[in-house]
Amino acid sequence: EVQLVESGGGLVQPGRSLKLSCAASGFTFSNYYMAWVRQAPKKGLEWVATISTSGSRTYYPDSVKGRFTISRDNAKSSLYLQMNSLKSEDTATYYCASLTGSRLDYWGQGVMVTVSS
Amino acid sequence: DVVMTQTPVSLSVSLGGQTSISCRSSQSLVHSDGNTYLYWYLQKPGQSPQLLIYKVSNRFSGVPDRFSGSGSGTDFTLKISRVEPEDLGVYYCYQGTHYPWTFGGGTKLELK
Repeated sequence: EVQLVESGGGLVQPGRSLKLSCAASGFTFSNYYMAWVRQAPKKGLEWVATISTSGSRTYYPDSVKGRFTISRDNAKSSLYLQMNSLKSEDTATYYCASLTGSRLDYWGQGVMVTVSS
Repeated sequence: DVVMTQTPVSLSVSLGGQTSISCRSSQSLVHSDGNTYLYWYLQKPGQSPQLLIYKVSNRFSGVPDRFSGSGSGTDFTLKISRVEPEDLGVYYCYQGTHYPWTFGGGTKLELK
């Protein structure tokens, strides 16, 4: 059974940093592209980042480019999202998801990030 | 960016009934490889989204045949027949053809 478990969320002040983690199990993590998707409170979904199997290729929307960095450790079956220069509009539940092409196959339960002073 | 517009925003349906959700994109979702990367997700209350339909009309593993997807180019439809209680929640269309990948605003399916 595929399992994705996010951690590392919490309350952080604007301008500060936070790093999210996602522990994967139940599939061969190193064979899959991975992604982060977020959902602001009571709002819709927004794709945040994608990383290739080796980690050599990453993709971001303009809203987070230059501030967020997606990375992975295949030996640990773990995905990460380093978030810098956080803004109030980054407040959201962050989901990690496995990818087949652009298809977001399986999602974690999500982790809440609140950016507030 | 590709804008995904879903209608209606909310929908009331009777158990056992049938309904449909529309999704329109601001540009064609046909990729240069010939595929159309349009997907449908359901987010049940308090849960993370789950994949229902991929590439317009293909049901994901374990998705009942009460769910069907259709469409082409910029106009897409999700149909749900014989609605069951576990079908309630918010439905999202999503395009993975053009970067940045984008989602529709969601359609909330409620019981009448």
